[in-house]
Amino acid sequence: DADVTQTPRNRITKTGKRIMLECSQTKGHDRMYWYRQDPGLGLRLIYYSFDVKDINKGEISDGYSVSRQAQAKFSLSLESAIPNQTALYFCATSVLSSSGTQETQYFGPGTRLLVL
Amino acid sequence: TQLLEQSPQFLSIQEGENLTVYCNSSSVFSSLQWYRQEPGEGPVLLVTVVTGGEVKKLKRLTFQFGDARKDSSLHITAAQPGDTGLYLCAGGFRFSNTGKLIFGQGTTLQVKP
Repeated sequence: DADVTQTPRNRITKTGKRIMLECSQTKGHDRMYWYRQDPGLGLRLIYYSFDVKDINKGEISDGYSVSRQAQAKFSLSLESAIPNQTALYFCATSVLSSSGTQETQYFGPGTRLLVL
Repeated sequence: TQLLEQSPQFLSIQEGENLTVYCNSSSVFSSLQWYRQEPGEGPVLLVTVVTGGEVKKLKRLTFQFGDARKDSSLHITAAQPGDTGLYLCAGGFRFSNTGKLIFGQGTTLQVKP
């Protein structure tokens, strides 16, 4: 079974609709992230969470919100979807090395979102 | 703004050729990682380098961290069609309280048989 799962894998929605993307992990990591990927722009951070009570905005959080329901679950919501939110969305978890010099991120398979 | 610039952004080569992908920044990183992403999947970590000048090899892939820890390169020898994918570099900071890696834009590699 995959360590980081995302649902749905594909979603088509209309402008103005509210949608939620869900992420679950079995790795036992405290840190979780939401990214979006667009061609030529790499991965851009939307929100991240260090634990259930800690939520932080990333570089492109406008138009998005998140909820950390449990250590293993981190969901991303688009309150009112717009076409330029069409992208590939990835959830990731991570653990920091004891030396603090390395943070390996483990990614889910992604959700492909199309906003019409 | 901390940026990682990858070059080239797209590379199409024949099987058996060698190639190098570059990742450059004006920032100093405590670690530099390379990920590979295949269509329909999330990125998967290939390697982490943490020491300036460090070289790591993974079969036909050679990774190098610049002496000043601002840049890195990925060299593939005798590329094969199975190497096709998106390669991403990502820089990290020691005990980062921002909790994030800085990702480059990615290099799409296509290896033709």
